[in-house]
Amino acid sequence: DVKVTQSSRYLVKRTGEKVFLECVQDMDHENMFWYRQDPGLGLRLIYFSYDVKMKEKGDIPEGYSVSREKKERFSLILESASTNQTSMYLCASSLGGQLNQPQHFGDGTRLSIL
Amino acid sequence: AQKVTQAQTEISVVEKEDVTLDCVYETRDTTYYLFWYKQPPSGELVFLIRRNSFDEQNEISGRYSWNFQKSTSSFNFTITASQVVDSAVYFCALSRVASGGSYIPTFGRGTSLIVHP
Repeated sequence: DVKVTQSSRYLVKRTGEKVFLECVQDMDHENMFWYRQDPGLGLRLIYFSYDVKMKEKGDIPEGYSVSREKKERFSLILESASTNQTSMYLCASSLGGQLNQPQHFGDGTRLSIL
Repeated sequence: AQKVTQAQTEISVVEKEDVTLDCVYETRDTTYYLFWYKQPPSGELVFLIRRNSFDEQNEISGRYSWNFQKSTSSFNFTITASQVVDSAVYFCALSRVASGGSYIPTFGRGTSLIVHP
């Protein structure tokens, strides 16, 4: 069974801090994704990666960066956290190169920026 | 551009009622996949079903059924005899081609289903 693990379920940080959200998957998936989920807006893609050290911007990359040094790990970085980045963050992974592959999600990290 | 519309923001039913969640999509691709995911109150999205653009057969899995109609660009999800455990947010998604030959989904905004006992 695919397991996607996010390092924290709840996180509280202060404005201006550099914040790291970590995600690890155990199924050797090529693709990894970071989303944020806000009420009424659904899932919005921040960044995705289709291979180690490869990254692509999603729909809302501003204020975020990512790192993928190893295949199983995908980190989301808030360079200087702001209150409008308070949200639920979801990590997902999927097999690469195939149109029909579903995504497997972690439990989410609820991040509050004070 | 691809788009997925889930017009129903929230649906409230009483247990044992049947309920249909609507999903309408737009794409210029001839080959694509559609997905449904469930997000219970615990938070983790769970994959339910996928359908490819060439297979318009309806699918039934227990109390769940899916109706894919290419002519109306719809992929609707029906829960028969709903139960409290069906309470969740349901997302419809459409695959799209992205960089590096990868495929990523476009999600609808989700429909929150509340089933009252």
